[in-house]
Amino acid sequence: DSGVTQTPKHLITATGQRVTLRCSPRSGDLSVYWYQQSLDQGLQFLIQYYNGEERAKGNILERFSAQQFPDLHSELNLSSLELGDSALYFCASSVGTSGTKDTQYFGPGTRLTVL
Amino acid sequence: DAKTTQPNSMESNEEEPVHLPCNHSTISGTDYIHWYRQLPSQGPEYVIHGLTSNVNNRMASLAIAEDRKSSTLILHRATLRDAAVYYCIFNFGNEKLTFGTGTRLTIIP
Repeated sequence: DSGVTQTPKHLITATGQRVTLRCSPRSGDLSVYWYQQSLDQGLQFLIQYYNGEERAKGNILERFSAQQFPDLHSELNLSSLELGDSALYFCASSVGTSGTKDTQYFGPGTRLTVL
Repeated sequence: DAKTTQPNSMESNEEEPVHLPCNHSTISGTDYIHWYRQLPSQGPEYVIHGLTSNVNNRMASLAIAEDRKSSTLILHRATLRDAAVYYCIFNFGNEKLTFGTGTRLTIIP
């Protein structure tokens, strides 16, 4: 158990809909990262927040947005969903903001299925 | 680009050592090398990380080449529970970062 929690575990929705994925980091961790893992691709970094502020941005679509709240939990919002958005979405957390040094601890993921 | 190169798959017999290689020729002098592994339908699990020197922990050892352009993850006695996809990564948070496809390790009983 990494200490990172994600809800929901599974999500099934239709094209065009909007969903929100939630992540609670490990106690004491200030950074939260979001990743997408599709069947045909490896883990893709989407975005990082550190203590409420956006820190780094990866391959995140404009239809997706994220935020980190004062209690440090984070939400990833996916809108105008397409079939290709079906994937596993992982959240990770780390103590600091150093992208190169800090170890990241991953949650169990949310499996999103868009029908 | 934060790109690493790993073999797609490897096999090893149970209770034998396993050496998983990784090339990371674009690594900068301050980037740590991280290794993670992922079991089916689970999140990646931290294995080990290092900067320049070889590193050991209870899970594995990490041997880093002197020029830092490659590294090897060493599992000293593979068990069936070590069967997973192993990823070598550097420069977390880089906008171009992707874990790539990693090495799928199969353990033969």
